[in-house]
Amino acid sequence: SYELTQPVSVSVALGQTAKITCGGDNIGSKNVHWYQQKPGQAPVLVIYRDDSRPSGVPERFSGSNSGNTATLTISRPQAGDEADYYCQVWDSGVIFGGGTKLTVL
Amino acid sequence: QLQLQESGPGLVKPSETLSLTCTVSGGSITTSSHYWGWIRQPPGKGPEWIGSFYYSESTYYNPSLKSRVTISVDTSRNQFSLRLSSVTAADTAVYYCTSGLYCRDGSCYLRWSWDYWGQGTLATVSS
Repeated sequence: SYELTQPVSVSVALGQTAKITCGGDNIGSKNVHWYQQKPGQAPVLVIYRDDSRPSGVPERFSGSNSGNTATLTISRPQAGDEADYYCQVWDSGVIFGGGTKLTVL
Repeated sequence: QLQLQESGPGLVKPSETLSLTCTVSGGSITTSSHYWGWIRQPPGKGPEWIGSFYYSESTYYNPSLKSRVTISVDTSRNQFSLRLSSVTAADTAVYYCTSGLYCRDGSCYLRWSWDYWGQGTLATVSS
């Protein structure tokens, strides 16, 4: 079965850029979606189809996807961006990555 | 604005069947503009897809759960439901009903991204 690999945690200083990766076999051929989840809340879609932002999602969130790695980039993250982030694809079913905890220092 | 609300018992005994209902408001469950699904999240873990359906097409199930899962639709009540049989402690999770947009940016297809989530309901399997 298809697997998505994410780093368990990523730390970023205020004013820097956070990159969260999602690895999978030839993931560049798939549509990758990203979700943000804060404690006690349902996940929120922040990127769909690799690099598109739903309305209401700040421009500091962007995505890319090529080869075996998809990346969620958060430019100048704010304290409120601290959350768990999950990547997701469709491969004979909906597949989620294990999640990455983002810490903003 | 589409809204989803899960309901059902919070406690289920091992070997019994977990039944949950999702009530949809702000849109029709028979619309071609959305697809629908169930996703669960065990405590401290990531989301796990249970199953999804679109309009009058086939229902898709997670292969690892397929033998125990049934998703059904009640169009008269604008609801869809989840039944998970023979539950064990491993089925303890927050269960979300979800929906996604079929058409975005002029492109219409089942991309299976989830735009709308219910608040989630915790189902605990315990005797």
